[in-house]
Amino acid sequence: IAGITQAPTSQILAAGRRMTLRCTQDMRHNAMYWYRQDLGLGLRLIHYSNTAGTTGKGEVPDGYSVSRANTDDFPLTLASAVPSQTSVYFCASSVGGEQFFGPGTRLTVL
Amino acid sequence: GIQVEQSPPDLILQEGANSTLRCNFSDSVNNLQWFHQNPWGQLINLFYIPSGTKQNGRLSATTVATERYSLLYISSSQTTDSGVYFCAVVQNTNAGKSTFGDGTTLTVKP
Repeated sequence: IAGITQAPTSQILAAGRRMTLRCTQDMRHNAMYWYRQDLGLGLRLIHYSNTAGTTGKGEVPDGYSVSRANTDDFPLTLASAVPSQTSVYFCASSVGGEQFFGPGTRLTVL
Repeated sequence: GIQVEQSPPDLILQEGANSTLRCNFSDSVNNLQWFHQNPWGQLINLFYIPSGTKQNGRLSATTVATERYSLLYISSSQTTDSGVYFCAVVQNTNAGKSTFGDGTTLTVKP
């Protein structure tokens, strides 16, 4: 593993289903983030974690939850997916304020 | 929260031309980054530049934190420069929460 990996690459999900997006980094960065990017728009922060064991809410946290059990992993869970959660999801980590992004997960909720 | 405005929203250039992209923000910031999102959706770090001037090849950036703006300069543009350029900031009072602008879409024609 080099940098940040996300899984799955893409997913089609029925509304009401539970889904966990995975994010793993091997850079030992303390801070990690989840963003969503809707078509034609910039990224909006969903949740963040400044260090293992702590999490915080971003701009659009409703319908999402996160956990940070260790430094490397930062999963994002949609408890009951809705069509408005159709988006591209990016995970990021940072050191010294500089953020580095994963390749993204394209999620479609039908 | 902090407002981040990027201009112009769209820019079409002929290969070889120069351009300046602007990012204005409404409050004091700790961090500022410029990203390039290529046509495949990857987010590529260009500059981490909370203040001052940096250069990397044909690209350079300047942030004047006291006046709350940053500029990204692209010289001798190439078709591979096409994509969306994002500015992202972290407020001084909002550690961990990053806010993105809506981006400038650049198209470089051969």
